[in-house]
Amino acid sequence: EVQVLESGGGLVQPGGSLRLSCEASGFTFSNYGMTWVRQAPGKGLEWVSSISGSGDITEYADSVKGRFTLSRDNSKNTVDLQMNSLRAEDTAVYYCATIRAVVVTDATNYWGQGTLVTVSS
Amino acid sequence: DIQMTQSPSSLSAFVGDRVTITCRASQGILNHLAWYQQRPGKPPKVLIYGASHLQSGAPSRFSGGGYGADFTLTISSLQPEDVATYYCQQYGSGPKTFGQGTKVQI
Repeated sequence: EVQVLESGGGLVQPGGSLRLSCEASGFTFSNYGMTWVRQAPGKGLEWVSSISGSGDITEYADSVKGRFTLSRDNSKNTVDLQMNSLRAEDTAVYYCATIRAVVVTDATNYWGQGTLVTVSS
Repeated sequence: DIQMTQSPSSLSAFVGDRVTITCRASQGILNHLAWYQQRPGKPPKVLIYGASHLQSGAPSRFSGGGYGADFTLTISSLQPEDVATYYCQQYGSGPKTFGQGTKVQI
């Protein structure tokens, strides 16, 4: 059974940093890309970032480029989203999801339950 | 960036009705389109990928169609449990943009 579990959310002040982690199990982790999608309170879905199965390709939304860094550790079946210079508009539930293929240009498949990030003073 | 425009933004229909939601891309995306269902307080669930492929476990009353820039999600017979917000997403190269969502009510 595939499981995807996010952690690391919480309250952080504007300008601060937070590191989200996503642990997946139930499949050969390195064979699949991973992605993060967020949802601000009462708003729609926004794609944030994706990483290929080997970790050699990463893509970012313009809204987070230069502030967020996505990485993965295939020995631990984890992907980490390092979020720096956080702004109030980064407040959202952050979802981690698997991608159907090793590349980043494919549909998602399994999603976690999400972790809430609140940026506020 | 590719913009995704869904219509309508909301709809209300009767149980048993056939419901269609459309999604238009600002440029051609081949069949790189997925549809999601999101119930309140829950993560999104994949319904359709590759524009027309039904996700394993998704009810067969859901179907997807289209290619290039114009896509549809159809619910053949609306059920009470289909009350949710539905999103399309293109996943080609670059930013993988979502539509703004369609809220479906009974």
